Amino acid sequence: GQQVMQIPQYQHVQEGEDFTTYCNSSTTLSNIQWYKQRPGGHPVFLIQLVKSGEVKKQKRLTFQFGEAKKNSSLHITATQTTDVGTYFCAGPGGATNKLIFGTGTLLAVQP
Amino acid sequence: NAGVTQTPKFQVLKTGQSMTLQCAQDMNHNSMYWYRQDPGMGLRLIYYSASEGTTDKGEVPNGYNVSRLNKREFSLRLESAAPSQTSVYFCASSRQVGESPLHFGNGTRLTVT
Repeated sequence: GQQVMQIPQYQHVQEGEDFTTYCNSSTTLSNIQWYKQRPGGHPVFLIQLVKSGEVKKQKRLTFQFGEAKKNSSLHITATQTTDVGTYFCAGPGGATNKLIFGTGTLLAVQP
Repeated sequence: NAGVTQTPKFQVLKTGQSMTLQCAQDMNHNSMYWYRQDPGMGLRLIYYSASEGTTDKGEVPNGYNVSRLNKREFSLRLESAAPSQTSVYFCASSRQVGESPLHFGNGTRLTVT
């Protein structure tokens, strides 16, 4: 079945450093969604990308959807302690189109 | 708007006991979902309901049952709890399966001893 992998699984950065997480799907996606989950919290929707090669920005966060619509990335510029959490990508898959979540990247930011 | 409301927030069960997790959404969403999340792991879909009147299995449905009571409410039942079902359970809803963002509830932390 369809798989959605994310790398790295864990990243520890100093505050102010940049951070990138990568998401790869085994199949072409109609869209990719990104979520953030703070420690002890629930996943919160960040953004949805639909078009091939699409790039969207939210303040210090830059999201990109690959040309082949099988991969995506999230880049955070100048991390802050408020960026701590696990970032998940998710894309629809299978005959039923239900959302498949990636394995997640846990970001730790040291002040 | 309350969004997605789950109850209870915490629950401790003994092996073999049963319980129902309740979920309600006030966003007029068509689709609702139950996920479980184990420590250090991602989100695994248990069951979902694409629209009122339908339910389908996800990745890990064994040991669970669901009921889509109406458009707003989607419950998850553990008939005979097992320690392997110790987890955090999230309910979520969306306008449409796969194409719309999910809105999650705050979660239920379940421990089975």
